[in-house]
Amino acid sequence: DVKVTQSSRYLVKRTGEKVFLECVQDMDHENMFWYRQDPGLGLRLIYFSYDVKMKEKGDIPEGYSVSREKKERFSLILESASTNQTSMYLCASPPTTGGFETQYFGPGTRLLVL
Amino acid sequence: GENVEQHPSTLSVQEGDSAVIKCTYSDSASNYFPWYKQELGKRPQLIIDIRSNVGEKKDQRIAVTLNKTAKHFSLHITETQPEDSAVYFCAASPSGSARQLTFGSGTQLTVLP
Repeated sequence: DVKVTQSSRYLVKRTGEKVFLECVQDMDHENMFWYRQDPGLGLRLIYFSYDVKMKEKGDIPEGYSVSREKKERFSLILESASTNQTSMYLCASPPTTGGFETQYFGPGTRLLVL
Repeated sequence: GENVEQHPSTLSVQEGDSAVIKCTYSDSASNYFPWYKQELGKRPQLIIDIRSNVGEKKDQRIAVTLNKTAKHFSLHITETQPEDSAVYFCAASPSGSARQLTFGSGTQLTVLP
């Protein structure tokens, strides 16, 4: 079974703080993703990484950066947290099934920025 | 890029009734359509998927249908049970790659006992 873990389930931060969200997968997958989930908006892709030290912007990268120093770990960084970044953040990593990739999600980190 | 619209946003059914959630997509090249279920406080989990070379797929009480011509696909849940209450997301990908997976906005399904 794929195991994707996230370092925190809940975080409360203040505006302007630098925030790190960590994600780890134990299946040696190349691809890792960060989404944010907001009511009525579904899941939106922030960044993804297809290899160590490689990253690509998703649909809503503004205000975020990422780091992937090791294959199993993918970090999402909020350089200066703002209240509009209050959200649920989901890390995901896709195994390939029959040539198609489907997402396996971590438990999520609910971030509140005050 | 791909755009996925999902309806309805909320759906209430009586236990034992059927529930249908519909999604439309814009990119005719999309060929992979997964559905995810997210229970309250839990992570989204894949429940069923369909590929463009198949018109229908069934897994016990859950089925998905795909109409490529009309560019829409639907999730059907029969004999609903209270544990089916959750948020359901559809998604579409033009390449079968998770890098290009676009999600719908979600449907809150409530099964009333």
